[in-house]
Amino acid sequence: SYVLTQPPSVSVAPGQTARVTCGGINIGSRTVHWYQQKSAQAPVLVVYDDSDRPSGIPERFSGSNSGNTATLTISRVEAGDEADYYCEVWHGSGYAFGGGTKLTVL
Amino acid sequence: DVELLESGGGLGQPGESLRLSCVVSGFIFSRYAMDWIRQAPGKGLEWVGSISGSGGSTYYADSVKGRFTMSRDSSKNTLYLQMRSLRAADTAVYYCAKRQDFSVVASPLDSWGQGTLVTVSS
Repeated sequence: SYVLTQPPSVSVAPGQTARVTCGGINIGSRTVHWYQQKSAQAPVLVVYDDSDRPSGIPERFSGSNSGNTATLTISRVEAGDEADYYCEVWHGSGYAFGGGTKLTVL
Repeated sequence: DVELLESGGGLGQPGESLRLSCVVSGFIFSRYAMDWIRQAPGKGLEWVGSISGSGGSTYYADSVKGRFTMSRDSSKNTLYLQMRSLRAADTAVYYCAKRQDFSVVASPLDSWGQGTLVTVSS
């Protein structure tokens, strides 16, 4: 299997920039998707194919992927961005999710 | 609008079987790969398995391989998860989700159901 490592938590003040990382061996050679899960709700796709945004997702959400780290960047963070964020990767014989990162807006 | 509605969750005893269903609407079911994802109480997301749009290709997590089987019925717009030899560790909310493409490979999950809770306990 393929292991994806995320920090358990990230905290940021409103208006600042939050960066959520997803580490994996040579993850830059794979395609990464990111999901947002708010409390007691189903997950929502926020970034796919490393850096593309689904329709309806604000431009404040962006992604990058290189080397051994993929990053979800949320600019001008708002209170409504508080949620758990998960990365996902296809590893050849299945999918793997990162352990999730809880974003707290201070 | 795309809708996915899971059912079939509930209480099962260790070693027993349960079958989950996911009825979909708002898109041409046979054109898209589908997945089951689960989330144990207070834990993160865990991929369970994927099935291609035709049903001809299936992939499973090691934790469920040999015990769980995914299938789909395009005439009923329904995805299934047959779960056998249930274990306490299978206790979770099970989400049905749609992939963006016909193929399973490297495609994002662009729509999710609200989930159904499976509890395995004696």
